Amino acid sequence: DGGITQSPKYLFRKEGQNVTLSCEQNLNHDAMYWYRQDPGQGLRLIYYSQIVNDFQKGDIAEGYSVSREKKESFPLTVTSAQKNPTAFYLCASSKSRGREWFEQYFGPGTRLTVT
Amino acid sequence: AQSVTQLGSHVSVSEGALVLLRCNYSSSVPPYLFWYVQYPNQGLQLLLKYTSAATLVKGINGFEAEFKKSETSFHLTKPSAHMSDAAEYFCAVLRDNAGNMLTFGGGTRLMVKP
Repeated sequence: DGGITQSPKYLFRKEGQNVTLSCEQNLNHDAMYWYRQDPGQGLRLIYYSQIVNDFQKGDIAEGYSVSREKKESFPLTVTSAQKNPTAFYLCASSKSRGREWFEQYFGPGTRLTVT
Repeated sequence: AQSVTQLGSHVSVSEGALVLLRCNYSSSVPPYLFWYVQYPNQGLQLLLKYTSAATLVKGINGFEAEFKKSETSFHLTKPSAHMSDAAEYFCAVLRDNAGNMLTFGGGTRLMVKP
């Protein structure tokens, strides 16, 4: 079955530590995205990548970093510079062209708790 | 820049009653609009989408939405609520000139009473 996997589902870290969230897709999609979800605020875009080896900052990129070395993978690192890292993180992917190019598919999410 | 406003962060209905979740958007060009559903601690699933074709769009699980340009609205409805509809619902608009990125509304949590 094609889809997006995110691991782990729950992640706990101490303040001051960097942590990397995994996102893998086998949908053969060119574009991938990271969102942060906080109660009452909807989803906010952190980073996106339209193609391998290229990515752009989204609306709230400060304190985060990403890489896109493979088409299937788009890991997100939450650095110690992120002031409020506790949140639910969602990864998504989409085609970049062709039929239904605009439709995003979401992974199950990772809930990060930093204490 | 596009924006999406969802009126009512929480909506409660009785089982069997009409579900109405409100979404208003702003866009300088004909928009592409989406409704997603999220069950607790899960990702988002696409319910339906409007892409400049028919203004009444039917989706999964008996939901539908009507695009009204004059009201800049894309409200989500379902004639009869079921307990399994309890979830959070997000309206989103495709951004202008920004590839395939979305702007999301704040979400509406739907509660269904027995």
